[in-house]
Amino acid sequence: DIQMTQSPASLSASVGDRVTITCRASQDIGNSLAWFQQKPGRVPNLLIYDAFTLQSGVPSRFSGSASGTDFTLTISSLQPEDVATYYCQKYNNAPLTFGGGTKVEIK
Amino acid sequence: QVQLVESGGGVVQPGRSLRLSCVASGFSFNSYGIHWVRQAPGKGLEWLAVISYDGSNTYLADSVRGRFSISRDNSKNSLYLQMNDLSVADTAMYYCVKEVRKWVIVGATPGDSWGQGTLVAVSS
Repeated sequence: DIQMTQSPASLSASVGDRVTITCRASQDIGNSLAWFQQKPGRVPNLLIYDAFTLQSGVPSRFSGSASGTDFTLTISSLQPEDVATYYCQKYNNAPLTFGGGTKVEIK
Repeated sequence: QVQLVESGGGVVQPGRSLRLSCVASGFSFNSYGIHWVRQAPGKGLEWLAVISYDGSNTYLADSVRGRFSISRDNSKNSLYLQMNDLSVADTAMYYCVKEVRKWVIVGATPGDSWGQGTLVAVSS
């Protein structure tokens, strides 16, 4: 099965900073990659799918990019409400594996 | 609006069985595949299973294959997860998740709507 390696495991940044989170697939998954945000005590929320497509209602400061088997979630200007754990998930085929998560905190 | 409501969780002894249910509303249930995802306390997300919109195709993660099964009843807008031979490692919040696209090949699309989850605690 394809493994999804997410990094870093955690990060701390200041409000207004540009934040990047990376997810690497162990094999080619095309652009079948989604990003989820899970705020403390809440259910996960789909941010981006097909590597680049912003889900309806998600702020435009979130964006996704891809280069081969490397995928990146970027928050262009970190806001206090972005404190959360972020997960990638591949879905080119089953199993739909999640990355280990990245916890984002405000410095 | 889309709503998914899980039920059936609780405290159960190791080796016992439990059946989770998920009742859907606010969308054409028979047009979307549905997933089960779990999250152990303080841990990350673990994908468990998917069933296609018509129930003809299913796939389970290696960690639960042979013990868990997924099914649906489109006439009742309901999804099920039968869990057998439970162990302490199965303790988690269990979520049902609706796929973002209609009529797709099983497992080829992510989920966009999550239920609030039902908690399963396996303990002696």
